[in-house]
Amino acid sequence: QKEVEQDPGPLSVPEGAIVSLNCTYSNSAFQYFMWYRQYSRKGPELLMYTYSSGNKEDGRFTAQVDKSSKYISLFIRDSQPSDSATYLCATFRLATGTASKLTFGTGTRLQVTL
Amino acid sequence: NAGVTQTPKFQVLKTGQSMTLQCAQDMNHEYMSWYRQDPGMGLRLIHYSVGAGITDQGEVPNGYNVSRSTTEDFPLRLLSAAPSQTSVYFCASSYRDRGNYGYTFGSGTRLTVV
Repeated sequence: QKEVEQDPGPLSVPEGAIVSLNCTYSNSAFQYFMWYRQYSRKGPELLMYTYSSGNKEDGRFTAQVDKSSKYISLFIRDSQPSDSATYLCATFRLATGTASKLTFGTGTRLQVTL
Repeated sequence: NAGVTQTPKFQVLKTGQSMTLQCAQDMNHEYMSWYRQDPGMGLRLIHYSVGAGITDQGEVPNGYNVSRSTTEDFPLRLLSAAPSQTSVYFCASSYRDRGNYGYTFGSGTRLTVV
């Protein structure tokens, strides 16, 4: 079983829709949670970053973490065709020498249509 | 600021050949890491480093070597290329600042082993 599970999609939505992307994880020691956006043939870019449970909002994007259910969500409001990309969730725990060991989900491919 | 620079962008190798993938960052980040990305597998950690002179293995280290002689550079060496190493390779660097972690990825190296 993967430590982080993510539905690969593809997910197709019309422009203006609210998008919900989700991940589940199995290791309760994970403390930091991230969402990356990856355009085709590009490297991942950090979109949202949260620590522990709660919500974090940045413009049209909201990241939500529920540690009790080990569930990570990313919501995109008023989706745009430029949001079409693969979205990867990632997590890690703090321990000596492991700060750079991100554990990724497989990514969800999102297509926003006109 | 160039961020994280990876070279080459594309490479075709014959089975058994060796090569080095280059990664350089100009942000003075402590942490650097190498990931490979395969369809349906997400990003998997190969090797990582928490500072110059310190490296450690990740999830899929077999067939790869790394060294970190300077803060800026973190090359990945393929010792004897195999078709199973056909993948897209990403280098990442990250910092730690009062509990905040920032990760930056390079644009990737697409490697094909024939």
